[in-house]
Amino acid sequence: NAGVTQTPKFRILKIGQSMTLQCTQDMNHNYMYWYRQDPGMGLKLIYYSVGAGITDKGEVPNGYNVSRSTTEDFPLRLELAAPSQTSVYFCASSWTSRTYEQYFGPGTRLTVT
Amino acid sequence: QQQVKQSPQSLIVQKGGISIINCAYENTAFDYFPWYQQFPGKGPALLIAIRPDVSEKKEGRFTISFNKSAKQFSLHIMDSQPGDSATYFCAATSSTDSWGKLQFGAGTQVVVTP
Repeated sequence: NAGVTQTPKFRILKIGQSMTLQCTQDMNHNYMYWYRQDPGMGLKLIYYSVGAGITDKGEVPNGYNVSRSTTEDFPLRLELAAPSQTSVYFCASSWTSRTYEQYFGPGTRLTVT
Repeated sequence: QQQVKQSPQSLIVQKGGISIINCAYENTAFDYFPWYQQFPGKGPALLIAIRPDVSEKKEGRFTISFNKSAKQFSLHIMDSQPGDSATYFCAATSSTDSWGKLQFGAGTQVVVTP
């Protein structure tokens, strides 16, 4: 049971490039979340999903897009990368909204220069 | 703006000492307050959580104290060990949020010196 996996671990992008951060969970969790973590700012919710085909915006969605075609995968797309998107990105999942325990992946450290 | 305010930003404690991290919130709809622990290079993991129907919850050396009237809660790490060195996040959510979204504090970096 691998839990939540994220790829890549590190990435450097040039301004204006695009990329997809991959997230996969093997726990059959319905709920999945994308966060960004910046120093001194905690974790900010970017997008979330309650199941395949159902997604919604979180607190800081601008510059990002998501899709959820399967229960297992929840990729995060960055279009036209900007320096403000330099951050550590975490994907998380939970069984239901009521259990409240979210399981986090190891993160992707992204630098945009 | 930050819905959950956390302090201090960092703290250094000697081995065997007590680490105390405080959090405050404004939204009275919040009714579940978890704490997450994050080691360097890893994702956060749930450490301990409390609901407002109790004033204290203890799990091993970790204790949450909850003051509903003041809208504050805190994490105490007793007999702190070097292995406790990590970043700690408080969080809050409401049972009315059908998506289970968590509001996180800014985090506290705890360093336990030998």
